[in-house]
Amino acid sequence: DAGITQSPRYKITETGRQVTLMCHQTWSHSYMFWYRQDLGHGLRLIYYSAAADITDKGEVPDGYVVSRSKTENFPLTLESATRSQTSVYFCASRDLTTGRTQYFGPGTRLTVL
Amino acid sequence: GENVEQHPSTLSVQEGDSAVIKCTYSDSASNYFPWYKQELGKRPQLIIDIRSNVGEKKDQRIAVTLNKTAKHFSLHITETQPEDSAVYFCAASIPPTGANSKLTFGKGITLSVRP
Repeated sequence: DAGITQSPRYKITETGRQVTLMCHQTWSHSYMFWYRQDLGHGLRLIYYSAAADITDKGEVPDGYVVSRSKTENFPLTLESATRSQTSVYFCASRDLTTGRTQYFGPGTRLTVL
Repeated sequence: GENVEQHPSTLSVQEGDSAVIKCTYSDSASNYFPWYKQELGKRPQLIIDIRSNVGEKKDQRIAVTLNKTAKHFSLHITETQPEDSAVYFCAASIPPTGANSKLTFGKGITLSVRP
């Protein structure tokens, strides 16, 4: 689990500001994922990536942008934060060949005022 | 797309009793079913998973069963302990194709083990 990290762990921002959440993994896993966790909704997929420069939308992509220029990093940007984006955000990764287990990062708690 | 449902949303059991958590899925093509445990303030962690070519899998006090015909799978925890108290998520996935390797999660069930 120490192989996947997220920063910052806590963030407070204001409506309309741009925020970037970072995710870094040291395993060279091909797949990376961003989820948001809200009470009553479980884990909902925002975006995912199969490899560097390959990304695709998940269930709730609106208002978010991702990039993956390097295998180990998968930043998530809220271009203009809204209160409805207050949530806990989890990054996860999965290896291409050694199984289907997803490993989660420690999460980022984001509050949009 | 796949839809995974968990019911009920909360479950309370007495320490030492068994707990059973059930999930249903909608896509008959799904062939991988993991269970994640999330303790308060922590990240979700895989506790057990099952593939569609197996009907049951055990690991010490936990087991998972799969009924492909009815499209449901269950987590069984025996001899529950207070440290089993957590949120449990089930998930389902169709076979990975190209860039698609997504898990669809249920909404989670909060298990409370009463001492």
